Amino acid sequence: GAGVSQSPSNKVTEKGKDVELRCDPISGHTALYWYRQSLGQGLEFLIYFQGNSAPDKSGLPSDRFSAERTGGSVSTLTIQRTQQEDSAVYLCASSPRTGGLDSPLHFGNGTRLTVT
Amino acid sequence: EDQVTQSPEALRLQEGESSSLNCSYTVSGLRGLFWYRQDPGKGPEFLFTLYSAGEEKEKERLKATLTKKESFLHITAPKPEDSATYLCAVPLFSGNTPLVFGKGTRLSVIA
Repeated sequence: GAGVSQSPSNKVTEKGKDVELRCDPISGHTALYWYRQSLGQGLEFLIYFQGNSAPDKSGLPSDRFSAERTGGSVSTLTIQRTQQEDSAVYLCASSPRTGGLDSPLHFGNGTRLTVT
Repeated sequence: EDQVTQSPEALRLQEGESSSLNCSYTVSGLRGLFWYRQDPGKGPEFLFTLYSAGEEKEKERLKATLTKKESFLHITAPKPEDSATYLCAVPLFSGNTPLVFGKGTRLSVIA
């Protein structure tokens, strides 16, 4: 079946521009996560959505970052006024339900963002 | 302070040369541990969940074990196709919680 789909796969933008990254989770998965992976660093949690509950935004690094999830499915991560330190691979993951251990995350292949 | 530490950062093995990767964690009250494999340009792919100390899981040439302080991923007689970055992750809290990942071990298996 279809996995988690992310678009675009690559994005090059100029410093100061806004970007939108899209994630299509696996159909029926209620939990959706955004992580960031920088060169030589581990995956850094950004934000988490579960059903209709308020998202957990505790990992967002600044107010330039925001995300929404429409209709409990597709999610968009928006970065405003991009900076060079925002360059990274942005990974989206979904899982069937929360509660952790019985719901491993299914990751997309990420969007590689380069800010010049 | 890192909560999940993986070692070594990189490991180069000859085909057939068995070895182990380590994942140690400092979160209190461990609520299980995940292992993932990540190929270049791809997202992490789930391998194992370990629920409690003493548990072991196996898949082909991989075996994951868990103690109260750390987890090991043993690779027996590896092949070049086992080359990848291996990540471990733990949930910080119980219930609805994101995972905290280590930085990974980059494994290269040379034919």
